[in-house]
Amino acid sequence: GESVGLHLPTLSVQEGDNSIINCAYSNSASDYFIWYKQESGKGPQFIIDIRSNMDKRQGQRVTVLLNKTVKHLSLQIAATQPGDSAVYFCAEGDSWGKFQFGAGTQVVVTP
Amino acid sequence: DTGVSQNPRHKITKRGQNVTFRCDPISEHNRLYWYRQTLGQGPEFLTYFQNEAQLEKSRLLSDRFSAERPKGSFSTLEIQRTEQGDSAMYLCASSLRGETEAFFGQGTRLTVV
Repeated sequence: GESVGLHLPTLSVQEGDNSIINCAYSNSASDYFIWYKQESGKGPQFIIDIRSNMDKRQGQRVTVLLNKTVKHLSLQIAATQPGDSAVYFCAEGDSWGKFQFGAGTQVVVTP
Repeated sequence: DTGVSQNPRHKITKRGQNVTFRCDPISEHNRLYWYRQTLGQGPEFLTYFQNEAQLEKSRLLSDRFSAERPKGSFSTLEIQRTEQGDSAMYLCASSLRGETEAFFGQGTRLTVV
């Protein structure tokens, strides 16, 4: 069936560097795409979303890029900080608000 | 604290027992979702409500699982005759209709022994 997945299971980043987390999706009918951050022992936390009719959206220190041609989604985190260490999930959603999550990428920020 | 409250935080039960979890969403949110998450995996959609109406159930939700949201506020998820494979984190989230941002609770971790 349709699925959302991630390219890399673990990403190690030096503090202050930029991080890029990638995600592949296969359901071209999804209305929007979302990035969530999950810290240990907590539920997922919304970071940013992007509608399917957009290709770029910026937030505070984060940028999401959507390439519908190759069905690829990425999250860029600028000036990565220790507090950014977490598991990051991409998810795709429909107009009803139901989300399908990928498997996640562990981001480890090293000093 | 996201404003979504789940109870209990942890539950250990013997195989074959029934368990019930509660979720209190953010009060003005009309949408409520249940997800299940196992270690190292992303959350898997189980079911969701708009107000008190259950709009969709995943194929993952066997007949042993039932969810309710009787007054359109809190929700309960019941698992009957628990199996070891039911061991997971059960997450609840809520949102406003039309909004993409869902707020998750901290989850209920179920261990079936």
